[in-house]
Amino acid sequence: AQSVTQLGSHVSVSEGALVLLRCNYSSSVPPYLFWYVQYPNQGLQLLLKYTSAATLVKGINGFEAEFKKSETSFHLTKPSAHMSDAAEYFCAVSLFYGGATNKLIFGTGTLLAVQP
Amino acid sequence: EPEVTQTPSHQVTQMGQEVILRCVPISNHLYFYWYRQILGQKVEFLVSFYNNEISEKSEIFDDQFSVERPDGSNFTLKIRSTKLEDSAMYFCASAGNNEQFFGPGTRLTVL
Repeated sequence: AQSVTQLGSHVSVSEGALVLLRCNYSSSVPPYLFWYVQYPNQGLQLLLKYTSAATLVKGINGFEAEFKKSETSFHLTKPSAHMSDAAEYFCAVSLFYGGATNKLIFGTGTLLAVQP
Repeated sequence: EPEVTQTPSHQVTQMGQEVILRCVPISNHLYFYWYRQILGQKVEFLVSFYNNEISEKSEIFDDQFSVERPDGSNFTLKIRSTKLEDSAMYFCASAGNNEQFFGPGTRLTVL
């Protein structure tokens, strides 16, 4: 069975500081991993995805994540936080087979606050 | 840029009533999904749909739920007799390859 654990339901950083949101996964087969962002009263927007190619994945808005199989982690980082980064961030895992995307299993989310 | 749309954005209903949530997936996508997010909780998978049939469903997706693609463009989620605990944000998603695109959601409030 697959699962995702996000450590820290709330993270607060200062504007300009490093953002680090943690995600650990469990999967019996090589997974596909995703980070989604949800702004207040909006849907889920894909930030980046790992699909078994490069282990360091760059996404939108300056975010990146590194797939570390030995640590079963896929932490999200951004070198310098911006006020507009304040949102909820979800890590998700899925299997990929048959050319289709299986269901996404989401973590519980991390609410990022950015202080001026 | 193509996007997934959902209507209505907010639906209020009485317990026991039927509701239909509507989604228009991205036009060339073949895989469709419904997820829900109860307030303050994580996003949960409900059902996936491909080739006019359900490909997978979760334990949440019981006999009160059904999905349909009635006209080749819309993708609907029906709840036959709503319960208080069905109150949640419902997200539709569609996929063409290995990425799911989400709609903005329908907030369902059951009174």
